[in-house]
Amino acid sequence: NAGVTQTPKFQVLKTGQSMTLQCAQDMNHEYMSWYRQDPGMGLRLIHYSVGAGITDQGEVPNGYNVSRSTTEDFPLRLLSAAPSQTSVYFCASSRGPGGYEQYFGPGTRLTVT
Amino acid sequence: GIQVEQSPPDLILQEGANSTLRCNFSDSVNNLQWFHQNPWGQLINLFYIPSGTKQNGRLSATTVATERYSLLYISSSQTTDSGVYFCASPEGGGNKLTFGTGTQLKVEL
Repeated sequence: NAGVTQTPKFQVLKTGQSMTLQCAQDMNHEYMSWYRQDPGMGLRLIHYSVGAGITDQGEVPNGYNVSRSTTEDFPLRLLSAAPSQTSVYFCASSRGPGGYEQYFGPGTRLTVT
Repeated sequence: GIQVEQSPPDLILQEGANSTLRCNFSDSVNNLQWFHQNPWGQLINLFYIPSGTKQNGRLSATTVATERYSLLYISSSQTTDSGVYFCASPEGGGNKLTFGTGTQLKVEL
């Protein structure tokens, strides 16, 4: 199993550009989530999904969109990038919500200039 | 929402030393997890420990849910233990996993 994969590993955007961070898992997990990690802030939940077609907001959802058309994929979209979105983004999956072991992808380091 | 405090924020150890990391929660603890983020950024789940004590090699964890804290013990530390240790718990046992700010550990030769 590849586990949780994320692409790209690194990305530089200009303010106002849009892009999609990709996340895929091959463990048939129902629950997937996106976090951002900023220095001194730990990880904060952006959006999550409890299954295909079902998504919900986390702690810091503004400026991000998600969709879940398949069990395997959970892309994160930045519609109009801002410097405040410079961060490291992690995707995670688990068999269920917070009470199950979470598996993390390798992360995407995003810089917005 | 739930507040998660970790201590100490930074720790430097000589190889072979033991250490204890602490995680305090402002609300009831449910399904607490400990993670290690290595120097390359990869996050690894160490323990899922809603209560009691678990051991995995040189690492062990204890959660006292009624007193809203958890401890992570590292014995005979090695340089490969370096990185950041996070604890996390879902709010109300639901979908939103809240992380602490982490303990940065450096193990030196």
